[in-house]
Amino acid sequence: DGGITQSPKYLFRKEGQNVTLSCEQNLNHDAMYWYRQDPGQGLRLIYYSQIVNDFQKGDIAEGYSVSREKKESFPLTVTSAQKNPTAFYLCASSGRGGDQETQYFGPGTRLLVL
Amino acid sequence: QQQVKQSPQSLIVQKGGISIINCAYENTAFDYFPWYQQFPGKGPALLIAIRPDVSEKKEGRFTISFNKSAKQFSLHIMDSQPGDSATYFCAASSGDSWGKLQFGAGTQVVVTP
Repeated sequence: DGGITQSPKYLFRKEGQNVTLSCEQNLNHDAMYWYRQDPGQGLRLIYYSQIVNDFQKGDIAEGYSVSREKKESFPLTVTSAQKNPTAFYLCASSGRGGDQETQYFGPGTRLLVL
Repeated sequence: QQQVKQSPQSLIVQKGGISIINCAYENTAFDYFPWYQQFPGKGPALLIAIRPDVSEKKEGRFTISFNKSAKQFSLHIMDSQPGDSATYFCAASSGDSWGKLQFGAGTQVVVTP
């Protein structure tokens, strides 16, 4: 089955700890995105990557970091600098050309602070 | 600041009724307007999308109406069903933003039996 997988489904972070959220896609998409979802605020873009080894900050990048070493993978690290990390994190990907704008989302990871 | 404003925040509609969700934008460079449907605990899924060269697009019971001069677009869900109960997000992007979507805040729709 083609699609986007995110793991884990739930993640708990202790004070001062960095945690990494996994995102993998087998859709052969060039672009990948990370969003944060909070109640009543919609989806806010954290980071995005158009090609391997390149990524750009979104609207709320502070306290987060990413890497794009492989086309299929775009992990997100929530660092200790992110003071309010509790949220639902969504990864998405999109292709090129006429299908470029259609973003396909993974099932999400819910991050909770202990 | 939110580039796409969505209303209402929530709505309740009876089975068989019409659900209407509205979105407004300011950036005239936006040229792609999708709607996403999200069920609790799941990722959003594309429902329907429109470009500004048409004023209306219909797919089954879902219709997008687009008013370029007013910079507004809306989603109409006809003959609403309990299975339509979900959160709906409008979004917008421009061709020079390489797929970066600006999302509205979302509307929670509840369809009562």
